[in-house]
Amino acid sequence: EAQVTQNPRYLITVTGKKLTVTCSQNMNHEYMSWYRQDPGLGLRQIYYSMNVEVTDKGDVPEGYKVSRKEKRNFPLILESPSPNQTSLYFCASSLIPSPGQGVSGANVLTFGAGSRLTVL
Amino acid sequence: RKEVEQDPGPFNVPEGATVAFNCTYSNSASQSFFWYRQDCRKEPKLLMSVYSSGNEDGRFTAQLNRASQYISLLIRDSKLSDSATYLCVVLVYNQGGKLIFGQGTELSVKP
Repeated sequence: EAQVTQNPRYLITVTGKKLTVTCSQNMNHEYMSWYRQDPGLGLRQIYYSMNVEVTDKGDVPEGYKVSRKEKRNFPLILESPSPNQTSLYFCASSLIPSPGQGVSGANVLTFGAGSRLTVL
Repeated sequence: RKEVEQDPGPFNVPEGATVAFNCTYSNSASQSFFWYRQDCRKEPKLLMSVYSSGNEDGRFTAQLNRASQYISLLIRDSKLSDSATYLCVVLVYNQGGKLIFGQGTELSVKP
């Protein structure tokens, strides 16, 4: 089954304790992205990657790191988590976004089930 | 001003009602447009793409107005199972293929 898998799904941690949220996709997608979702703010992009070893900042990258050593994996790293990083996190993947592709598939994001993180 | 704006709702409608959501976008370089659906605490899933000429999928109709920079979603004959948050998504290609999400419009269909 084509899917994006995130782990852990739920995590409660304390300020300053490094954590990694893993993301893996089995669709051979070049594009991967991390979002956080907060009430009233919608989905905001943290980091994205167009391909292996290529990563770029999204709208809210502060406090996060990512890596893309392999095509299928795109872990999100919180080196020193803080309470303002308490949020619902989604990983997503797709083929490379391009104009005019519409429903052909290139621009359709497949999301993981989400990781709910609480930082105390 | 947000790049993609939606009325957050909630829209509370009875079963069988017709409901319409609008979404405005500010970047004229926006290339492709989508509606995603998100159920409570779950991941967003593609509902439909929005074509320039407008498109229909069963009870759902999406329209695009490039001149006024808005897209719409019409749901006819609402079902209880339509209750969800509907996200407007815009692809801005001059930002390296960036997908920008609206904050979502919450729909609650009541019996």
